[in-house]
Amino acid sequence: AQSVTQLDSQVPVFEEAPVELRCNYSSSVSVYLFWYVQYPNQGLQLLLKYLSGSTLVESINGFEAEFNKSQTSFHLRKPSVHISDTAEYFCAVRGSTLGRLYFGRGTQLTVWP
Amino acid sequence: DAGVTQSPTHLIKTRGQQVTLRCSPKSGHDTVSWYQQALGQGPQFIFQYYEEEERQRGNFPDRFSGHQFPNYSSELNVNALLLGDSALYLCASSLQGIHGEQYFGPGTRLTVT
Repeated sequence: AQSVTQLDSQVPVFEEAPVELRCNYSSSVSVYLFWYVQYPNQGLQLLLKYLSGSTLVESINGFEAEFNKSQTSFHLRKPSVHISDTAEYFCAVRGSTLGRLYFGRGTQLTVWP
Repeated sequence: DAGVTQSPTHLIKTRGQQVTLRCSPKSGHDTVSWYQQALGQGPQFIFQYYEEEERQRGNFPDRFSGHQFPNYSSELNVNALLLGDSALYLCASSLQGIHGEQYFGPGTRLTVT
């Protein structure tokens, strides 16, 4: 079985500051890793994913995440956040043979002016 | 190209009643997964349908059942509603296969009183 731990339930930061949202997973098989973002009263949007290849993956809006197999982590980072980045962020893992996603409990990122 | 759509948007039911939620997948997708997201939690996998059959199931009681139609759309049925069933129900569609990314709909907010 797989599981995901998001170490911070809330992360408040000021605009233009860097941010890191932490995610650790446990799995006995090879995994695929995802970050989803959820804005208030909306569904989940895929932010970025790691399937294979380069361990550093980037999104179109400046977020990046690095797959670290030895530390079983997939932390999300952004060098300079905007107020519009305020949202709930979910880390998810999917095993190589099963289609279901296992989600963490989420991290609420709040960006203050 | 329409994404994943869900209906209704909101629903209020009384304990003991039954409810049906509907999902239309993204064009070209053949697999539908359902998740329950309680307030302040990450989504929890309910089940997944492919080729009109339930392929995987999470840790949910038999009160939760589903169906997939030949056009790949899907329904989630919940019988004998409990207060604890109040949640956001998310539908995700994908193309069957290991790399099939899941695209989420906006969700149906179910309130049980």
